Amino acid sequence: GAGVSQSPSNKVTEKGKDVELRCDPISGHTALYWYRQSLGQGLEFLIYFQGNSAPDKSGLPSDRFSAERTGGSVSTLTIQRTQQEDSAVYLCASSLRVAGGTGELFFGEGSRLTVL
Amino acid sequence: SQQGEEDPQALSIQEGENATMNCSYKTSINNLQWYRQNSGRGLVHLILIRSNEREKHSGRLRVTLDTSKKSSSLLITASRAADTASYFCATGDFNTNAGKSTFGDGTTLTVKP
Repeated sequence: GAGVSQSPSNKVTEKGKDVELRCDPISGHTALYWYRQSLGQGLEFLIYFQGNSAPDKSGLPSDRFSAERTGGSVSTLTIQRTQQEDSAVYLCASSLRVAGGTGELFFGEGSRLTVL
Repeated sequence: SQQGEEDPQALSIQEGENATMNCSYKTSINNLQWYRQNSGRGLVHLILIRSNEREKHSGRLRVTLDTSKKSSSLLITASRAADTASYFCATGDFNTNAGKSTFGDGTTLTVKP
């Protein structure tokens, strides 16, 4: 597609339920990132995928959070047993990592998660 | 903790005035990027400055970088109401996974018509 696509745009769930958030990056972009943004706050790094390398999971806040990227394209962020503190906007970004390139990130519009 | 820290947290100015935002970071970088976020939307890349550059211009934007002080500034000249948004700096690390960019908490700019 023309840009990074995220779905759903809004998700309301009950505490304890599992949720899946999807990110479809720009075609050909080898790098994909997930960030979390609480209301009025900055971006908290969650996880980073680059090509076929092992993902950098250093930002995942707990083992309830996991992400995968299938076929080097679409990524799914899964939150198990959601808690109220998981409520936030989850932003996905992709970039084209080439030697001498800028590494500019292209963001989706985010998935707003509300845990009741 | 976040690599970049912006200051001030909030800035309110009149249309036509200049707006200056600052960013400080902790570790060595290969480039620093500024992004803009309109309320409730995704972030949009504004400008990138590499570690061997000191100043860069793009339209009404001027970015400076001082690697000795580990700081950068973003200047928006002749501001417009449409510039109202949050502005974030993002850094790429030299010594760690170069692909991972970390963001500060942002500066919220309000430009009054």
